[in-house]
This record gives sequence, structure tokens and C-alpha cells, in this order.
Amino acid sequence: DVKVTQSSRYLVKRTGEKVFLECVQDMDHENMFWYRQDPGLGLRLIYFSYDVKMKEKGDIPEGYSVSREKKERFSLILESASTNQTSMYLCASSSGLVAFFGQGTRLTVV
Amino acid sequence: TQLLEQSPQFLSIQEGENLTVYCNSSSVFSSLQWYRQEPGEGPVLLVTVVTGGEVKKLKRLTFQFGDARKDSSLHITAAQPGDTGLYLCAVRWGRQLTFGSGTQLTVLP
Repeated sequence: DVKVTQSSRYLVKRTGEKVFLECVQDMDHENMFWYRQDPGLGLRLIYFSYDVKMKEKGDIPEGYSVSREKKERFSLILESASTNQTSMYLCASSSGLVAFFGQGTRLTVV
Repeated sequence: TQLLEQSPQFLSIQEGENLTVYCNSSSVFSSLQWYRQEPGEGPVLLVTVVTGGEVKKLKRLTFQFGDARKDSSLHITAAQPGDTGLYLCAVRWGRQLTFGSGTQLTVLP
């Protein structure tokens, strides 16, 4: 069975903290994506990666960075968390048209 | 302006009713996908349509890709409470996988 695993389902962090969200896939997919999901706004792409060490900005990269040192792992980093980054974060991987998602991380920044 | 516009944004219906939701764009796509997301979970792929005018059926769900490959519709026959969820359309745009804002469907028993 295909699997995309996000390290945490729920996370509470303080303003100004550096936050790491981890995502691991077991399908040997080239492409990995980080989205945030807010009510009424759908899924907005933050960053994606099409190969190890390769990354491209999505639609809303400000305040975020990413790391892909190994093919199976894609990390999203909030350099200095702010309250407006409170959201649901979804990781996905794909090798073609089909994307497989993790279960999401609900991050609250207080 | 969003690449994909979905309508309606919210839909609440009674069990047994039929419904149609839409995904529209001014751009042409080589393929389009529909996903369903249930509360607390990530989206799951329902179908991919690739040919203009194509119709695909998945039990009570019927998906159609527009002739010009700019739009798509999802029709549900005799909706059931288990159909409740957020329905998202998506396209590959360059290297990106881009989603519409979704239709939140609630089917009341």
C-alpha cells in the first residue's frame, strides 16, 4: 500500500519558534509537495521538489523553506513561526498524474 | 485570479438527491483530476480525465471533461451521507500540482 507519513497530526508552537514538519514517502516518487489548507482557500502550494536537493517555490513560499536531502523525505521549515501560519499542512508525493497525500498536520502557533 | 474555479463553494442536500459540482478555467489542460477529502484526512484521488468530452463513472459518481478541456463536472446520483466531504479538482500546471478551492458537500440523512 502507498504511504505518505507526516510526523505529527497536531502541533502547538510559540510565536518565533523554528518549526520542522517532516514528510516521508515509501513509493520512490520523484515529486513531493507541501500545501497549506485554510477554510475557503483550498490547497495552496508552498513549495515542491522534483528531485533530491531540487526545490521550487509555489504560490505562497514567504516565511517557509524546505529541505530534501533524501528522495523519500521532504521537510517544511517555518523559520520563525507566526500566528498567521496557523493552518493545516498537507504533504503529497507523485511520480506522474496521481498525488498521494499524508494525513495532514494541524499546526497552531500561539 | 485562481487557475481553477469551483462551484458551488458549499452544498447541503438531503439523502437521495442528485447534484452536480463544477470546475472551470480559462486555460486548457492535458488532464484533470478529482479528489475527495474527508475531515481530518488528506485528499484521495477519485478519477483522472484526459480526453476532451470524456465521461467516467465510479458507481454513483459521473465525471465529465469538457470538450475544450477547460472545465469538468462531477455528478452524484442519489447522494448518501457517506458522500459528505470536500471535492477538489486539480491539474498539473508545469511542474506544479494545482488545486481548486473545493466544494464542501454535506449530505443529510
